[in-house]
Amino acid sequence: NAGVTQTPKFQVLKTGQSMTLQCAQDMNHNSMYWYRQDPGMGLRLIYYSASEGTTDKGEVPNGYNVSRLNKREFSLRLESAAPSQTSVYFCASSEISRTEAFFGQGTRLTVV
Amino acid sequence: GQSLEQPSEVTAVEGAIVQINCTYQTSGFYGLSWYQQHDGGAPTFLSYNALDGLEETGRFSSFLSRSDSYGYLLLQELQMKDSASYFCAVRDPDSNYQLIWGAGTKLIIKP
Repeated sequence: NAGVTQTPKFQVLKTGQSMTLQCAQDMNHNSMYWYRQDPGMGLRLIYYSASEGTTDKGEVPNGYNVSRLNKREFSLRLESAAPSQTSVYFCASSEISRTEAFFGQGTRLTVV
Repeated sequence: GQSLEQPSEVTAVEGAIVQINCTYQTSGFYGLSWYQQHDGGAPTFLSYNALDGLEETGRFSSFLSRSDSYGYLLLQELQMKDSASYFCAVRDPDSNYQLIWGAGTKLIIKP
C-alpha cells in the first residue's frame, strides 16, 4: 500500500534551472496538494487540485506551476529556480469531504 | 478568511501530561484535525473531531468545542518519541475546501 509517492527525495539545483516534482497517490482521492515547509515553520499551500481537471492557487504560488495529469498524479514545476525556493516540498491527498490528508515523504530542494 | 492559532512551543517532562491548544476562525466548520511531524519527516494524521467532546486514541486524545471555536490535543504518559511538532488543521469552505493549517506547536520533552 504505497499511499502518496513523491520523487525525487533530494535535489540540488542551480539558480535558473527548471525541474518538475512528481507526485502520485493510489487511494483514489479527489484532492491533491503541494505544500512547502521552511525550517521551523508550518505548511504553506502552493497549489491545490480539488478534483481532476481543476487547479487553484494557494498561499504562495509565485514561481510555480502545476499539472493535474489524471486523478492519481499531480506535478509541481519550477520554471526558473531561485534560492528563495530552497525548502522541503510535500505532496498530499485527501477526500474533499474529510480533513484527513496523507502526505508523501517530502522533497528536500536546495537552490544554489 | 480562515485562521488557526496554536502556541509555538510547549515543554513537558517525560511521563507527564501535556495539552496543546488550537483556536480557529472559519466561515463554515468541517471538523478539526491534528497531525504530528517529527523532524525531517512528513506530517501524519493523529485525530479528527467533527462533533463536540473528547475523542480518545490510546495515549492521545483530542477535544473540540464548536461554540468556543477551540480544540486541544492531549498527550498522556509522555515519551521521548513524542517530541515532534503538532499541527491543527481545518477545511476552508470558501476555497474549495482546501486545508488550512496552524503554524505548529513544537513539543519539547525533557527527561
